Amino acid sequence: AQSVTQLDSQVPVFEEAPVELRCNYSSSVSVYLFWYVQYPNQGLQLLLKYLSGSTLVKGINGFEAEFNKSQTSFHLRKPSVHISDTAEYFCAVRGSEKLVFGKGTKLTVNP
Amino acid sequence: SQTIHQWPATLVQPVGSPLSLECTVEGTSNPNLYWYRQAAGRGLQLLFYSVGIGQISSEVPQNLSASRPQDRQFILSSKKLLLSDSGFYLCAWGRDRNIQYFGAGTRLSVL
Repeated sequence: AQSVTQLDSQVPVFEEAPVELRCNYSSSVSVYLFWYVQYPNQGLQLLLKYLSGSTLVKGINGFEAEFNKSQTSFHLRKPSVHISDTAEYFCAVRGSEKLVFGKGTKLTVNP
Repeated sequence: SQTIHQWPATLVQPVGSPLSLECTVEGTSNPNLYWYRQAAGRGLQLLFYSVGIGQISSEVPQNLSASRPQDRQFILSSKKLLLSDSGFYLCAWGRDRNIQYFGAGTRLSVL
């Protein structure tokens, strides 16, 4: 079975600072990996996905993530965050069965 | 383009009352449909998914049920709500099981 661990439940940062949200997964089969963002009282929106190919994946809103098979990680990064990036971020993995989500990381960007 | 509609946005119901949440998808046919529940600090829990009309798979034994009476309609129901049914309910659709698109959610408070 697949599982996802998001190592930080909350990440506070200052505006224009870089940020990294950590995600580790476990799976016994080839994986597809995703990051979603959820703004308050809204549904989830796909930020980026890794299905195959280049391990560095670029998404919307300036975010990127790197798939590291040896470390079973898929960390999300942004070089300079904005106030509007304040939201909850979910990592997800799809192995041979359904999509499995992590518990989320709340990113708070302070002025 | 495809859109997903979910209503109502918020709902306050007394314990023991029935529930019906509706989700419809436009702009696509034969989508896979999903119901998730999101409780504070617990991430997303997959409740039900459907790969076709009348085909429902339940992920978690609970007080809820789902139905798919039409290709692009997915309904979440309960005969008698419990306090523990409170949460944020999200409907999603996907063309395959790798990428899922989410509705805006329903905030259910059972009092």
